[in-house]
Amino acid sequence: DIQLTQSPSFLSASVGDRVTITCRASQDISSYFAWYQQKPGRAPKLLISAASILQSGVPSRFSGSGSGTEFTLTISRLQSEDFATYFCQQLNTYPWTFGQGTKVEIK
Amino acid sequence: QVQLVQSGAEVKKPGASVKISCRASGYTFTKNYMHWVRQAPGLGLEWLGIINPSGGSAYYAQNFEGRVTMTSDTSTSTLYIELSSLRSEDTAVYYCAREGPIIALEYWGQGTLVTVSS
Repeated sequence: DIQLTQSPSFLSASVGDRVTITCRASQDISSYFAWYQQKPGRAPKLLISAASILQSGVPSRFSGSGSGTEFTLTISRLQSEDFATYFCQQLNTYPWTFGQGTKVEIK
Repeated sequence: QVQLVQSGAEVKKPGASVKISCRASGYTFTKNYMHWVRQAPGLGLEWLGIINPSGGSAYYAQNFEGRVTMTSDTSTSTLYIELSSLRSEDTAVYYCAREGPIIALEYWGQGTLVTVSS
């Protein structure tokens, strides 16, 4: 199975901060990659597909980049509603796998 | 609008089976592959498998092969997942999710909590 190593696992930040989350795949997955946001008690929400395509309705402060084995999610200016857990996912090979998550909390 | 509505919470004893439903609306049911993902309490996400609602062909994660069955009913636009030989480690929230035109899980059900306890 393809392993995804997400870092950091926990991040404390303030409103207005620039935040970067990284995900590293154990093998080349091209751009078959997605980022999700999950708030407590809710289902995950798709933010970015194909490594860099922002989903409709997702604020432009979110961006994704990378291909192959290294991927990044950036939130340019953190807002209060962005405090959540973020997961990466590879969709290149079954079984699809997820990173372990990054919890973004208020400093 | 696309909606995926799942059945309610279940409590099962070890060794039992559970069957969860996911009713789709707001789009043509047979047009998109569907997936099942679970999340144990406080933990990460685990992909269980994929089903093509048109025809019902399914592919399961190897970890669940032999214990999981995914089916679809096109007459009611409903998906089902059945997990057998339940153990405490199967306690989790189970989600159905629709694959989008760009491969990713675009829409999710609200989740169904399955608790396995003696």
